Amino acid sequence: AQSVTQLDSQVPVFEEAPVELRCNYSSSVSVYLFWYVQYPNQGLQLLLKYLSGSTLVKGINGFEAEFNKSQTSFHLRKPSVHISDTAEYFCAVSEKGAQKLVFGQGTRLTINP
Amino acid sequence: GAGVSQSPRYKVTKRGQDVTLRCDPISSHATLYWYQQALGQGPEFLTYFNYEAQPDKSGLPSDRFSAERPEGSISTLTIQRTEQRDSAMYRCASSLDLGSGNTIYFGEGSWLTVV
Repeated sequence: AQSVTQLDSQVPVFEEAPVELRCNYSSSVSVYLFWYVQYPNQGLQLLLKYLSGSTLVKGINGFEAEFNKSQTSFHLRKPSVHISDTAEYFCAVSEKGAQKLVFGQGTRLTINP
Repeated sequence: GAGVSQSPRYKVTKRGQDVTLRCDPISSHATLYWYQQALGQGPEFLTYFNYEAQPDKSGLPSDRFSAERPEGSISTLTIQRTEQRDSAMYRCASSLDLGSGNTIYFGEGSWLTVV
């Protein structure tokens, strides 16, 4: 069975500072990896996904993530955050060929001016 | 429709009552999913449909939970004899087809509170 661990439940950072949200997964088979974001009072929105190829994936709003197979990680990064990045971020994994996403518990990113 | 639409957005019900939640997926999407998200947790898979077929019900917590998609478009999730532990956000999502790398588009969710 797959599982996803988001190591930080809350991450406070100052505006224009860099941020890294950590995600580790476990699976016995090949997987696809996703980061979703939930802005206040909105639904989940896909930020980026890794399916194959280059391990560095770029997404919307300046976010990127790097797939590290040996460390079973898929950490999300942004070099300079804005107030508008305040949201909850979810890492998710799906086994290739499977239909369900397995989500982590989420990381609440708070940007302070 | 342009996005995944769920109703009601908020529902408060008394313990023991039945509740039905509705989902209208993106119009061209064959595959529809239901997830349950408790407060402070990530979403957890309940079930999915491909058109009207329901190949996987493995995530439904008990036989009080059921879902339908009779015409392959709108879906309903029904919880019978609700219990307080059913209080959660219920998220519907859809994707173009069964490809597991496809982007899944989520609705805004239905908040259920059982009192």
